[in-house]
Amino acid sequence: AQKVTQAQTEISVVEKEDVTLDCVYETRDTTYYLFWYKQPPSGELVFLIRRNSFDEQNEISGRYSWNFQKSTSSFNFTITASQVVDSAVYFCALNDYKLSFGAGTTVTVRA
Amino acid sequence: DSGVTQTPKHLITATGQRVTLRCSPRSGDLSVYWYQQSLDQGLQFLIHYYNGEERAKGNILERFSAQQFPDLHSELNLSSLELGDSALYFCASSVGTGTSGYTFGSGTRLTVV
Repeated sequence: AQKVTQAQTEISVVEKEDVTLDCVYETRDTTYYLFWYKQPPSGELVFLIRRNSFDEQNEISGRYSWNFQKSTSSFNFTITASQVVDSAVYFCALNDYKLSFGAGTTVTVRA
Repeated sequence: DSGVTQTPKHLITATGQRVTLRCSPRSGDLSVYWYQQSLDQGLQFLIHYYNGEERAKGNILERFSAQQFPDLHSELNLSSLELGDSALYFCASSVGTGTSGYTFGSGTRLTVV
């Protein structure tokens, strides 16, 4: 069975601080895809990043970066220099034939 | 605008009633997925259709059913509604089976009173 664990329930930071969100997953598949989604207060689910299991290269995209470590089954996500507009619930998700979501981490960025 | 259209955006109905939620996938996407987001259960996968055929079922109650039509839009039917069915229902679409990513609609917020 697929399982995604986001141990952090809530994170509160002051603007311009960096925020790192932890995600640990379980799967028996050798090929899988990992995602991060953002759900702002307006409620929609916004796609942020995708990574497949064959590519452990970590990347930076604007203020977002991610750290995928297959050896520890972790897929952590970092927001650099956070802004108030980053306040949202962030979900890590694992794909086989469907997306399995973690419970989400609520990020509050205070001005 | 994500390209996935869900209607209605809000729905308030009484217990015991039946409602239909509609989803139009992004142009070119053949797969439609339904998810339920409730406070106590989080985001739960309900069902997946690919090009009109049911491909996978998740934690979908027997009172719920879905279908995907030839024009690829999908409907989720919820019947004998209970208070606990109050939730945000999302539709997502993908080109194939989601490995290239899923695009979510803005959701339908269902309130059962």
